[in-house]
Amino acid sequence: QKEVEQDPGPLSVPEGAIVSLNCTYSNSAFQYFMWYRQYSRKGPELLMYTYSSGNKEDGRFTAQVDKSSKYISLFIRDSQPSDSATYLCAMSGRGGSNYKLTFGKGTLLTVNP
Amino acid sequence: DSGVTQTPKHLITATGQRVTLRCSPRSGDLSVYWYQQSLDQGLQFLIQYYNGEERAKGNILERFSAQQFPDLHSELNLSSLELGDSALYFCASSAQDRYTEAFFGQGTRLTVV
Repeated sequence: QKEVEQDPGPLSVPEGAIVSLNCTYSNSAFQYFMWYRQYSRKGPELLMYTYSSGNKEDGRFTAQVDKSSKYISLFIRDSQPSDSATYLCAMSGRGGSNYKLTFGKGTLLTVNP
Repeated sequence: DSGVTQTPKHLITATGQRVTLRCSPRSGDLSVYWYQQSLDQGLQFLIQYYNGEERAKGNILERFSAQQFPDLHSELNLSSLELGDSALYFCASSAQDRYTEAFFGQGTRLTVV
């Protein structure tokens, strides 16, 4: 079983839709949860990070972490064509040798005008 | 622009050869991370350096090595290249040990023929 599972999609939605992106994980040592956006031929760009369980909101983006279910989500409200990209979840432990980020494979999102 | 600079952007080389990828981190960032991104494996952590010293190792092959210099730039050396080494190689940097807020460069696309 992979440490982080993410549905690769592709996901296609109309402009203005609410988008839900999800990842599940198996490593209970993960405590930091990140979402990255990657446009084609570009490097990943950090969108949000959350420590432990709970919600975090930033503009149109909301990140949710449910550690009891080992499940994280990213919601995008009022999606725009400029949101079309691959979204990667990433996770890490805390301290010690847990410096690496473990990524999901990414979900390709297309927002149609 | 993340502030992380990677050179070259593209590299085509033959099997058995050796190449060096270069990374300049964001100004003031002490940590540098190297990642490999391929279609089948996704983003995989290779190695981390912190202020010139190796901090963590991931799925890095013995044919690969890295170092961080006193001016904090880093180089990833790939030798005895194989077709399967063709991938995007990303460098990321973060302030001290804030690895949850890593900023990625644009990547070097390596093609081994």
